[in-house]
Amino acid sequence: AQRVTQPEKLLSVFKGAPVELKCNYSYSGSPELFWYVQYSRQRLQLLLRHISRESIKGFTADLNKGETSFHLKKPFAQEEDSAMYYCALSGSGGGATNKLIFGTGTLLAVQP
Amino acid sequence: NAGVTQTPKFRVLKTGQSMTLLCAQDMNHEYMYWYRQDPGMGLRLIHYSVGEGTTAKGEVPDGYNVSRLKKQNFLLGLESAAPSQTSVYFCASSLFRVPTGELFFGEGSRLTVL
Repeated sequence: AQRVTQPEKLLSVFKGAPVELKCNYSYSGSPELFWYVQYSRQRLQLLLRHISRESIKGFTADLNKGETSFHLKKPFAQEEDSAMYYCALSGSGGGATNKLIFGTGTLLAVQP
Repeated sequence: NAGVTQTPKFRVLKTGQSMTLLCAQDMNHEYMYWYRQDPGMGLRLIHYSVGEGTTAKGEVPDGYNVSRLKKQNFLLGLESAAPSQTSVYFCASSLFRVPTGELFFGEGSRLTVL
């Protein structure tokens, strides 16, 4: 069965420190991975997707099929990065077609 | 442009009561989804629709029914509410099927079942 695991419920870092939000997945089909973010009092929104291989707001994420991981990284955290981050999985075949399966989320708190 | 609008935003029910959550989108999106968000469990897909007149089960469909009679609306119904259905419900829509399409979310509806 398809599953997304985010092992950390809370990640607290100081401003300027590097950030890595962990995401691991299990999926029998061809996976597509995403990061969605929910800032305080805002709607959940797409941050980035692996297929685009882009950097958004300084965040990057690389799909590692060998380790089945899609960790989100930023070299220098900013206070405005504080939010709830969700890793999500979709793909073709394997039961996730037409669906987006979310992990449990990691709350990132950036301290001044 | 309102995007995805959910009604109501808050509701308190007694066990056994019924209610319907309405999701409306004005983006002419084909695909619509209902998720529930619970502490420590993230977002779980309840039901989804790949077009007008279609519905399909997600991860946690039991106790819920849905209808997509009009392309712009996706209704989530609770026939006999239970305390386990206390949650925040999110509707989302996408123009293209996942994974191509980006999901656009509503603001959420907080439901409490006593």
